[in-house]
Amino acid sequence: QKEVEQDPGPLSVPEGAIVSLNCTYSNSAFQYFMWYRQYSRKGPELLMYTYSSGNKEDGRFTAQVDKSSKYISLFIRDSQPSDSATYLCAMSERSNYQLIWGAGTKLIIKP
Amino acid sequence: NAGVTQTPKFRVLKTGQSMTLLCAQDMNHEYMYWYRQDPGMGLRLIHYSVGEGTTAKGEVPDGYNVSRLKKQNFLLGLESAAPSQTSVYFCASSPDRERSYTFGSGTRLTVV
Repeated sequence: QKEVEQDPGPLSVPEGAIVSLNCTYSNSAFQYFMWYRQYSRKGPELLMYTYSSGNKEDGRFTAQVDKSSKYISLFIRDSQPSDSATYLCAMSERSNYQLIWGAGTKLIIKP
Repeated sequence: NAGVTQTPKFRVLKTGQSMTLLCAQDMNHEYMYWYRQDPGMGLRLIHYSVGEGTTAKGEVPDGYNVSRLKKQNFLLGLESAAPSQTSVYFCASSPDRERSYTFGSGTRLTVV
């Protein structure tokens, strides 16, 4: 079993919909949680960064961490075709600066 | 523009050939990483460096070697390429003790 599980998709939704992307993990020592966005033929770029539990909001994006369930989510409101990309979750322990990655979910926003 | 630059962007190798991938960053980052990305596998860490002159093995180091003689450069070498090394290779860097990585745009390598 992988340490971080992420549904590869593709997830296809109409423009304007609310999107929910999720990862589950098995290591209870993970304290830092990140979402990266990767456009086709590009490198990943950091989208959201949270520490421990709770929510973090940045514009149309909300990152949510539920440590009791070992589950993290990324919500995208008012989705746009430009949000079409692969979204990778990543996480790490407090004392380790290496990231453990999910395989990524491909998101398609239909105009 | 500041960031991480990878060269070359594309390469086709024959089995048994060798090559070096170059990663250069101009952000004065301490940490640098080499990943490979394969469909359905996500990012897998090959080697990493926590400072000039240091290197360490990641999750999938076999068949690769690295060097970091200068802080801004991190080289990934394939001594004898195999078809299993066909992949997209990404370099990333981060400041000391930070988890926000900056990635390059990747090198697409095909070994035939």
